[in-house]
Amino acid sequence: DAGVIQSPRHEVTEMGQEVTLRCKPISGHDYLFWYRQTMMRGLELLIYFNNNVPIDDSGMPEDRFSAKMPNASFSTLKIQPSEPRDSAVYFCASSTPEGTSGEQYFGPGTRLTVT
Amino acid sequence: QQPVQSPQAVILREGEDAVINCSSSKALYSVHWYRQKHGEAPVFLMILLKGGEQKGHDKISASFNEKKQQSSLYLTASQLSYSGTYFCGTEGGNDYKLSFGAGTTVTVRA
Repeated sequence: DAGVIQSPRHEVTEMGQEVTLRCKPISGHDYLFWYRQTMMRGLELLIYFNNNVPIDDSGMPEDRFSAKMPNASFSTLKIQPSEPRDSAVYFCASSTPEGTSGEQYFGPGTRLTVT
Repeated sequence: QQPVQSPQAVILREGEDAVINCSSSKALYSVHWYRQKHGEAPVFLMILLKGGEQKGHDKISASFNEKKQQSSLYLTASQLSYSGTYFCGTEGGNDYKLSFGAGTTVTVRA
């Protein structure tokens, strides 16, 4: 299996621009998570989906952030408009459906820089 | 609520042991441990479930004290490959939602 795939790997954009991050989870995984990692705040859960349905978006910082999962093999995280404080590494992770708690498999991340 | 990890950093020589602690202020359903190398994604190491079940790495062990809401990760006979930042992730209910600690940076030197 190719693992979790994220694109782009690096994104540099100017303040005010729209940014779309993409994720393809591991085939057969029912759960998909979006995290943000910064030095100041560490690794934060933004939102997660189960069977393409958003379950908890309490970590989404504000209305500028939105996430969708139109099907089992694709999800997007959109920031509109972007701000310099959004600069971070954004990870997507997916999880197996088996067991009562599943390990999460992380993608390589997207490093976002907003100037 | 973010769990608290200690120490923040540790430096070891190959073959030495270390313990990383993770504590939470709320009741826990499970504790997950991940390791992240610089510039890479976190990689799963271990899950400890309420009730004592443990799944994961065969060379790194951990414990979970449910009453104290604490977990410890034991690095035994450390190898150079153990270097990285270790994160604990705590789950309050059976909901897959993890809160991660700030991380413990481990450096193993030859």
